[in-house]
Amino acid sequence: KNEVEQSPQNLTAQEGEFITINCSYSVGISALHWLQQHPGGGIVSLFMLSSGKKKHGRLIATINIQEKHSSLHITASHPRDSAVYICAVRPYYGGSQGNLIFGKGTKLSVKP
Amino acid sequence: EPEVTQTPSHQVTQMGQEVILRCVPISNHLYFYWYRQILGQKVEFLVSFYNNEISEKSEIFDDQFSVERPDGSNFTLKIRSTKLEDSAMYFCASSELIRNEQFFGPGTRLTVL
Repeated sequence: KNEVEQSPQNLTAQEGEFITINCSYSVGISALHWLQQHPGGGIVSLFMLSSGKKKHGRLIATINIQEKHSSLHITASHPRDSAVYICAVRPYYGGSQGNLIFGKGTKLSVKP
Repeated sequence: EPEVTQTPSHQVTQMGQEVILRCVPISNHLYFYWYRQILGQKVEFLVSFYNNEISEKSEIFDDQFSVERPDGSNFTLKIRSTKLEDSAMYFCASSELIRNEQFFGPGTRLTVL
């Protein structure tokens, strides 16, 4: 059973397009992370959020705790945004926090 | 900007050999983590470490694995007798507190032959 599901698995876009990547999870959480994994393998933390919305440059992340769903949006996409985007949740078990559970990632390719 | 560093970037070893993967977390961080990503699969939690002891570990982190903070800066993952299935990318991460954002290192690619 996958506790963190991402969609789509693969996404190809043209430069300039608006992109949305979705993450659904089945456990109660204290926080959700969006991470970017470059082709070389390195992981960069983009956002950590527990409610509402955060924005950083062309990236926007939203979360709906009641619906157990988060989205990552990229505005005006660029080929350098090509990467794997990973959703990870920190579960909350009866007063204590668990360790990160990762989704399988969404592979984004932005064509010039 | 402070960052997590890992060495080596790539380690090739023979099955049955011991390997030590090294990490230098961000200096004011108190929580340290190791994760593993087998090629083509998702990232998996291995172990978390706080106050010089393991705070959580996953089922993957069996007796072949150990972690240590040998001095004030390094955080190491030792695999005592490597198996073919240990081949993976190993990421170290650190955070100020357990509820804070985690910062990841660039990873060590371990290849077991």
